[in-house]
Amino acid sequence: GAGVSQSPRYKVAKRGQDVALRCDPISGHVSLFWYQQALGQGPEFLTYFQNEAQLDKSGLPSDRFFAERPEGSVSTLKIQRTQQEDSAVYLCASSFLAGIFYNEQFFGPGTRLTVL
Amino acid sequence: SQQGEEDPQALSIQEGENATMNCSYKTSINNLQWYRQNSGRGLVHLILIRSNEREKHSGRLRVTLDTSKKSSSLLITASRAADTASYFCATDAGKLVFGKGTKLTVNP
Repeated sequence: GAGVSQSPRYKVAKRGQDVALRCDPISGHVSLFWYQQALGQGPEFLTYFQNEAQLDKSGLPSDRFFAERPEGSVSTLKIQRTQQEDSAVYLCASSFLAGIFYNEQFFGPGTRLTVL
Repeated sequence: SQQGEEDPQALSIQEGENATMNCSYKTSINNLQWYRQNSGRGLVHLILIRSNEREKHSGRLRVTLDTSKKSSSLLITASRAADTASYFCATDAGKLVFGKGTKLTVNP
């Protein structure tokens, strides 16, 4: 595929459940980013990978959030013991070069998470 | 926390008119980017302007950057119904920080 893909596109979870969101970046892209977008807001940075290394996780809202990219390609964002405030669209983006400066990021369609 | 703040929050114009959106930010940046988001295509990068640039053009888009005022503007000329979307500025100061966006409606 030519673009960033994410799965599932929609996820409904009961409060307290664990969820796993998957991101397939564009092949060959070194950098991968996760964002959280609440309704009516702009995306907010969660974490950044350069290949398999998680270089910045300062945006993760709590220790219930965990992200990994073990082979430097596909990434998974895991949320444990989901809460209602976790309801949002989770966006994944990738870029060709390392680092953030001067790089265009290509975004996936997002996963809409609803926690009941 | 969101650094950029777009103005206006919503804008409704007729096809063919120009649309201007403004973005203000708080801290020093390396570059500023504008993105468009609609339900059909997700979040799409439009244009990037570096901190040492003052103006940039791409097709019907014109972006200005005033680092002394910590502000940027996006001008879309000769708007089309397909331009209907939310537009976000994003500042890059080590990580990409998005504003809340301007919701643009272009009426046919």
